[in-house]
Amino acid sequence: EVQLVESGGGLVKPGGSLRLSCTASGFTFRSYAMHWVRQAPGKGLEWVSAISSSGAYIYYADSLRGRFTISRDNAKNSLYLQMNSLRVEDTGIYYCARIKYSAFELGGDFDCWGQGTLVIISS
Amino acid sequence: QSALTQPASVSGSPGQSITISCTGTSSDVVTYKYVSWYQQHPGKAPKVMIYEVSNRPSGVSDRFSGSKSGNTASLSISGLQAEDEADYYCSSYTSNTTLIFGGGTKLTVL
Repeated sequence: EVQLVESGGGLVKPGGSLRLSCTASGFTFRSYAMHWVRQAPGKGLEWVSAISSSGAYIYYADSLRGRFTISRDNAKNSLYLQMNSLRVEDTGIYYCARIKYSAFELGGDFDCWGQGTLVIISS
Repeated sequence: QSALTQPASVSGSPGQSITISCTGTSSDVVTYKYVSWYQQHPGKAPKVMIYEVSNRPSGVSDRFSGSKSGNTASLSISGLQAEDEADYYCSSYTSNTTLIFGGGTKLTVL
């Protein structure tokens, strides 16, 4: 079964850091581009970042570049999001998502999502 | 870059058809074929319903269709069913090599 499981969420004070993980199973992780998408409570989806299958190409939302860093370890079937200088407005559910095989990595054709991990930024 | 513009809500009765619009700019919807639509039920992860403007993934009902004209992409749902009640989001690739979502539309099946 194809599965993505996020972890690492929690309660952090403003200005703090957090590292999210997404562990993949049931497919050849190193062959797929991966994304992070977040959703503030009661709000819409917001694209965060993407990384190519090899990790050679990385993309960020303009508003987040400089604070967030995406990475992957294909040997561990894992995707990561390092989040620094966290703000209250970073609160939300963070999803990792897989781009369909051979699809354009920024084409939005996600064929698998995790269940999400909740990040709360509050003093 | 601002989010794509969607109506906050639409509604329809079972069996009817509805259309949800997604308005962008020359930096995204107008120029690129990478427009997708997602369905999200409460407490669940999103699910792609349409990709590359009008393509339907396998397993998605043919009651769902997508199109684009100028700066506006559209998702149409025919033969509305109770299970279609959900939030719907569009997304587009942008000239900044990013992905951008719409603000979301709540579909109510009356």
